[in-house]
Amino acid sequence: AQTVTQSQPEMSVQEAETVTLSCTYDTSESDYYLFWYKQPPSRQMILVIRQEAYKQQNATENRFSVNFQKAAKSFSLKISDSQLGDAAMYFCAYRALGGSEKLVFGKGTKLTVNP
Amino acid sequence: NAGVTQTPKFRILKIGQSMTLQCTQDMNHNYMYWYRQDPGMGLKLIYYSVGAGITDKGEVPNGYNVSRSTTEDFPLRLELAAPSQTSVYFCASSYLQGRNNEQFFGPGTRLTVL
Repeated sequence: AQTVTQSQPEMSVQEAETVTLSCTYDTSESDYYLFWYKQPPSRQMILVIRQEAYKQQNATENRFSVNFQKAAKSFSLKISDSQLGDAAMYFCAYRALGGSEKLVFGKGTKLTVNP
Repeated sequence: NAGVTQTPKFRILKIGQSMTLQCTQDMNHNYMYWYRQDPGMGLKLIYYSVGAGITDKGEVPNGYNVSRSTTEDFPLRLELAAPSQTSVYFCASSYLQGRNNEQFFGPGTRLTVL
């Protein structure tokens, strides 16, 4: 079974600085998706960024970028120019292709942004 | 489009009571999911459906039942509520179209069983 591990329960960053959240996963599949979701206090799950395993190029979305290391099964999220609105729980998630297409989530990292 | 809607937002149940969590999507998505999120944890899949009339168990299905009679609705039934079912429940949906099928989440239902 696939597993997702986030080893940092909490992280903090100063406003305007850069922070990196870590994620590792375990799978025997060669083709899959990886995601980072943001969950603010409102509880709404918001997709931040996605990466397709067959693409070597790291995904970027404005201030958010990933470092995808397929051989190491590592998928970290970098947030540049951190803003107060970035404060939230961040979840790394894995999805295999086919079947249920379900998401497998890590336990999350709580990000605090200090003014 | 309203997206994925869930009712109720909050509910307190007594042990042994039953209830149905409602989920509706207006995006004509064929895949629908129920997840639960326990405190300090990620989401875990309870049940899913790949289309009307088709449902299957996820990772933590015990104590729950689902049905999918229409494309839009995917209710989750708790028959005999137990304290272990205290959690936040999320419904999600996606449309299987090629490789890019994002899951859209509802706002969640916070359930407490006392």
